[in-house]
Amino acid sequence: GENVEQHPSTLSVQEGDSAVIKCTYSDSASNYFPWYKQELGKRPQLIIDIRSNVGEKKDQRIAVTLNKTAKHFSLHITETQPEDSAVYFCAPPSCSGNTGKLIFGQGTTLQVKP
Amino acid sequence: SAVISQKPSRDICQRGTSLTIQCQVDSQVTMMFWYRQQPGQSLTLIATANQGSEATYESGFVIDKFPISRPNLTFSTLTVSNMSPEDSSIYLCSVDHRGSSGNTIYFGEGSWLTVV
Repeated sequence: GENVEQHPSTLSVQEGDSAVIKCTYSDSASNYFPWYKQELGKRPQLIIDIRSNVGEKKDQRIAVTLNKTAKHFSLHITETQPEDSAVYFCAPPSCSGNTGKLIFGQGTTLQVKP
Repeated sequence: SAVISQKPSRDICQRGTSLTIQCQVDSQVTMMFWYRQQPGQSLTLIATANQGSEATYESGFVIDKFPISRPNLTFSTLTVSNMSPEDSSIYLCSVDHRGSSGNTIYFGEGSWLTVV
């Protein structure tokens, strides 16, 4: 099965700085790599995902990069704002071809200081 | 995207009782899943709810404790049986939704369960 490690566990940045969270996975057959944001008391929300046929995807201030050789993918948030403060989870699927069985990383608590 | 409704959103239950959580999707989906998120922890997959057959449980979860129904392609229930305080968690259903760029997983709002 898939082993997922996420780093760092906590991250504190000043407003306007960039934040990077890294996720390492074990299954070389994985082909779908999502990132979820969970605000306090709310459900996880998909913020960006990438499939194995591309190396980078960007959506405004958020980007995800994928390194299949090294088996890791990273979330990049630029120009951070206080509303970016949340817990972020990477969640690659446990088996390729079955997107739904997600294996969640331990989570990264991001704090953006005004 | 898929719109997912979960009920109840919150409940406080006595130990030894059972609670059934409902998950309704606004479109037919092949795959539905149930996750648990214990306080301050990450999400853990409990089982895959299969339409027309028994659910497939992950290691550490059993049918007697977490019976699941999936009567059709838009609905599923999870029951937490014979509850103890250790079952206090958020329970979330999710669906595998087929979109134009591939499949994406969406979550319901979650059911916050406290066992006293």
